[in-house]
Amino acid sequence: GAVVSQHPSRVICKSGTSVKIECRSLDFQATTMFWYRQFPKKSLMLMATSNEGSKATYEQGVEKDKFLINHASLTLSTLTVTSAHPEDSSFYICSAKAAGAYSNQPQHFGDGTRLSIL
Amino acid sequence: SQKIEQNSEALNIQEGKTATLTCNYTNYSPAYLQWYRQDPGRGPVFLLLIRENEKEKRKERLKVTFDTTLKQSLFHITASQPADSATYLCALDGVDSSYKLIFGSGTRLLVRP
Repeated sequence: GAVVSQHPSRVICKSGTSVKIECRSLDFQATTMFWYRQFPKKSLMLMATSNEGSKATYEQGVEKDKFLINHASLTLSTLTVTSAHPEDSSFYICSAKAAGAYSNQPQHFGDGTRLSIL
Repeated sequence: SQKIEQNSEALNIQEGKTATLTCNYTNYSPAYLQWYRQDPGRGPVFLLLIRENEKEKRKERLKVTFDTTLKQSLFHITASQPADSATYLCALDGVDSSYKLIFGSGTRLLVRP
């Protein structure tokens, strides 16, 4: 149980393109989803917390107009990288917490999206 | 601000030995600590959670300890196998929100056959 699907797994596109990444909880409802960015051999850096039906909460230094997050249902959150540039190239990972889960219960992660901007 | 350090970039051990990974933290007293495994190109997978009032937690060949005085957690894999080779991440609940996790940079474990 507790499967999180992330799509696409890999995307290569030209500079200036906007890219949408989807994160779905397949067998549970997630009121809260998280978006992380990970550089090679580095830790996961939390970008934003996505709450179903409300605006996302962004971490300090993350441009909300650059990284648009939508959490329109209890099973889907999307991250759109707008007007992507080569410096946006990275590994993006989402995670989800089940609805009603206590704060100390684990997050369930997707398998990430490798974004490469040419 | 919170700071989390994991002991080394890579740990290389012989199959069958016990692997011990370290997670140290400063400037914070977390209510709980979690350990995750991450394989290359994949998302992290949850392994164990230990609360501040727990000294030790076990799951099969895995053991986690939590010393709130030393501000340190140790993660042990006994009878290690090549399949245990991966990066192991420790994570603490965020100081401003217990729903958020703050991750360490991870320790890469390589188990030689």
